[in-house]
Amino acid sequence: SQQGEEDPQALSIQEGENATMNCSYKTSINNLQWYRQNSGRGLVHLILIRSNEREKHSGRLRVTLDTSKKSSSLLITASRAADTASYFCATTHRYNNNDMRFGAGTRLTVKP
Amino acid sequence: SQTIHQWPATLVQPVGSPLSLECTVEGTSNPNLYWYRQAAGRGLQLLFYSVGIGQISSEVPQNLSASRPQDRQFILSSKKLLLSDSGFYLCALGLAGEKFFGPGTRLTVL
Repeated sequence: SQQGEEDPQALSIQEGENATMNCSYKTSINNLQWYRQNSGRGLVHLILIRSNEREKHSGRLRVTLDTSKKSSSLLITASRAADTASYFCATTHRYNNNDMRFGAGTRLTVKP
Repeated sequence: SQTIHQWPATLVQPVGSPLSLECTVEGTSNPNLYWYRQAAGRGLQLLFYSVGIGQISSEVPQNLSASRPQDRQFILSSKKLLLSDSGFYLCALGLAGEKFFGPGTRLTVL
């Protein structure tokens, strides 16, 4: 079964705007990761945040993690048309690093 | 750095035919390897993972099987494909808590 649940399922914004995607999960986790997938392609790892971290930055990406609410958010600032893709969160089980579960993803469209 | 190869890139097979998808990795030794399936417009479902040669853990009971004959080779198989086996199959490598994905194989079962 899917572990992470992303919302919104689809998001459409104008170039230059910020995009925020959310993810909720149910079990105890070791870390949470965000991936990007262009249409029909493999997944690209974006960022990993550990369960003892609350916020992490990488370039235009900002990820937050609230373990009390079992939720995470991915913020993409100053979006570009090339950011158009599907974004997935994935949680790694706290006691089994091999147990990594994905949500259904958010489809982001950035209009030029 | 590690590299993940998958082939074929696309495959169209009739119902009831056998399947063999191959994944090989470079740039690392004794990796944890994973097979995921992604249905159209959906997230990824973990099918199998392997922590070493001959060691396979199955997450979802179904008509698929996996084997790891060599340290850097992971194979996904089926004796008889079903229509529901259509999807995008991704091999992944686990490294320091992160997973890195191959380019995937798109399987269509007709």
